[in-house]
Amino acid sequence: DQQVKQNSPSLSVQEGRISILNCDYTNSMFDYFLWYKKYPAEGPTFLISISSIKDKNEDGRFTVFLNKSAKHLSLHIVPSQPGDSAVYFCAASRTSGSRLTFGEGTQLTVNP
Amino acid sequence: GAGVSQSPSNKVTEKGKDVELRCDPISGHTALYWYRQSLGQGLEFLIYFQGNSAPDKSGLPSDRFSAERTGGSVSTLTIQRTQQEDSAVYLCASSKTSGRRGEQFFGPGTRLTVL
Repeated sequence: DQQVKQNSPSLSVQEGRISILNCDYTNSMFDYFLWYKKYPAEGPTFLISISSIKDKNEDGRFTVFLNKSAKHLSLHIVPSQPGDSAVYFCAASRTSGSRLTFGEGTQLTVNP
Repeated sequence: GAGVSQSPSNKVTEKGKDVELRCDPISGHTALYWYRQSLGQGLEFLIYFQGNSAPDKSGLPSDRFSAERTGGSVSTLTIQRTQQEDSAVYLCASSKTSGRRGEQFFGPGTRLTVL
C-alpha cells in the first residue's frame, strides 16, 4: 500500500527554467509534508515543509504547494540550477516529528 | 555543529551472519529514527525512539531485526541471520521533540551488502 507516490521517476529541465516535482498521497490523516533532496552516497537533506493548515510555503527558490482536496503537493524550483540535480523525495507524517512515509523519489537533472 | 553520524559506512557480510549498525544522533535531539532504502526504492520506516517512551517498532520487517537506544543517545540496529533481501542502505535520522518545522536530520547511511 503505497501511501505516498511520486509518479515521475525522472525530470529533466534547462538551467534557469522552472522545475515542478509532484507528489500524491492517499492517507487523509497526514497533516505534515516535507521535501528532501538526496545526492548519491549521502543522506537526504531537508528542503522545505508545509503544514496541512497552509496551501503554500516559500523558501528562497523553493515553493511547496498543497492541495488537500486533491491530496496532492508539488515542489517548484525557480530558477533551476545545475546544482539542484539530485533525487527529490516527498514525505508525509501524521504529526510533526513522527515517522515519515516517503515517496519513491524523482531524479531531477538540470542541464546547463 | 556535528550532524548525525553512522558507522560503518559500508558493511559486506555473508548470509546467515549477524550485523550491528550504529547511529550517533545530533546532541540534544530526543527523537531517533531508522529507515532503509533498497535499490530503486523510497525510504522505508523501520523504528522510532522518542525520549523514554516505548519505541514504535511497527516498521521492522521481521523478528530478525531489533534496535536499542542507550542513554537516550546512541542507537544500534541489529540484524540477525542476515538474508540477501536485507541488502540496502540503512539510514538513521534524529529530530528535536518540538522542531518548528519538524524536519528529521539524516546521517550518511550504512550500505549493507549480504552475499
